Amino acid sequence: GQNIDQPTEMTATEGAIVQINCTYQTSGFNGLFWYQQHAGEAPTFLSYNVLDGLEEKGRFSSFLSRSKGYSYLLLKELQMKDSASYLCAVVDSNYQLIWGAGTKLIIKP
Amino acid sequence: SAVISQKPSRDICQRGTSLTIQCQVDSQVTMMFWYRQQPGQSLTLIATANQGSEATYESGFVIDKFPISRPNLTFSTLTVSNMSPEDSSIYLCSVAGGQGETYEQYFGPGTRLTVT
Repeated sequence: GQNIDQPTEMTATEGAIVQINCTYQTSGFNGLFWYQQHAGEAPTFLSYNVLDGLEEKGRFSSFLSRSKGYSYLLLKELQMKDSASYLCAVVDSNYQLIWGAGTKLIIKP
Repeated sequence: SAVISQKPSRDICQRGTSLTIQCQVDSQVTMMFWYRQQPGQSLTLIATANQGSEATYESGFVIDKFPISRPNLTFSTLTVSNMSPEDSSIYLCSVAGGQGETYEQYFGPGTRLTVT
């Protein structure tokens, strides 16, 4: 079966750095997405990785290792507004998105 | 990215009734999807809305319960039929460019449905 694993919840301090991990086992791989979802709102696109390595976009970076079936989202200089759920999703061989359950990130002052 | 609107934004319905949710995109898109999200849970794909043909449903979802229309490349509807309290959820429409273009999905604001 297809499986995406991410931690259920993480807590970090304002101004710090946090890394949210995602491991996957899917039928085929055509890329991995990270989405941010604030409570009561729709998910918004953060990043897309299809090749191994690190993609940096401002305070957010996303890393992919296809051989290990592993990705992480790195958030630097955390702000209170970063409190949200972060969803990992993989594009499988049928070009469908397989969603993880999401990681709820709590930022404390 | 595409601008997506959904109507209604929220509704409270009685069990046994049906509700149709509309999704409108400001540009033509190849793919349109309907998701359900229970409180505190991740996204569950209901179906892919296909323009000009029947929707493709995921395991556990059937056309009689969730009929879907997609008359053109910018509009789709999802009907939640014969509702029960278990159908209370947020229903999200999303769109994507499709194969060979980009797979990233953009989401509408969602419809919060409460069934009493």
